[in-house]
Amino acid sequence: EAQVTQNPRYLITVTGKKLTVTCSQNMNHEYMSWYRQDPGLGLRQIYYSMNVEVTDKGDVPEGYKVSRKEKRNFPLILESPSPNQTSLYFCASSSKIRGVENIQYFGAGTRLSVL
Amino acid sequence: AQSVTQPDIHITVSEGASLELRCNYSYGATPYLFWYVQSPGQGLQLLLKYFSGDTLVQGIKGFEAEFKRSQSSFNLRKPSVHWSDAAEYFCAVGARAAGNKLTFGGGTRVLVKP
Repeated sequence: EAQVTQNPRYLITVTGKKLTVTCSQNMNHEYMSWYRQDPGLGLRQIYYSMNVEVTDKGDVPEGYKVSRKEKRNFPLILESPSPNQTSLYFCASSSKIRGVENIQYFGAGTRLSVL
Repeated sequence: AQSVTQPDIHITVSEGASLELRCNYSYGATPYLFWYVQSPGQGLQLLLKYFSGDTLVQGIKGFEAEFKRSQSSFNLRKPSVHWSDAAEYFCAVGARAAGNKLTFGGGTRVLVKP
């Protein structure tokens, strides 16, 4: 079954404590992205990757890091979380073939609270 | 830069009534347009998409959307809503750049009255 798996689903942490949200896809997709969802703002792209070792900033990258060492995995790293990073996070993947016409597969989301 | 506006933050509709959700986009080229639904506590599900061709697009769960280039709109409709349609709906425009980036509107939350 085609899947994008995020872990954890829920996370409560404190300001400044480094954390990683994992994302894994089983479809051999080249493209992966991280989005954050905030009320009234919809989803906004944080970072994206177009292949292994190829990553770039999206619209709201401040305070986040990513890596793409393997094709299937695209972890999101918060080195020093702050309360304004409290949000719902989604990982997405898609194939590069036929570009944006491909369906994007989304993970189930990670709800993060930074106290 | 591309952008999407969903003018209605909340809509309340009676079960069995029709529903129309508005979406306006700004994009420099031919847009790739999507509607997603997010049920409470759930992830995103693709309802329908438009890339080219017939401007009236059919999707899942009885939804349809009409692309109107002259109005830069992609409104979502359903003739008769069910209680299970209560959810948040997102319109999005896609780009070939930035890893197939989607730019989302702010969402419209739909409440269904019995």
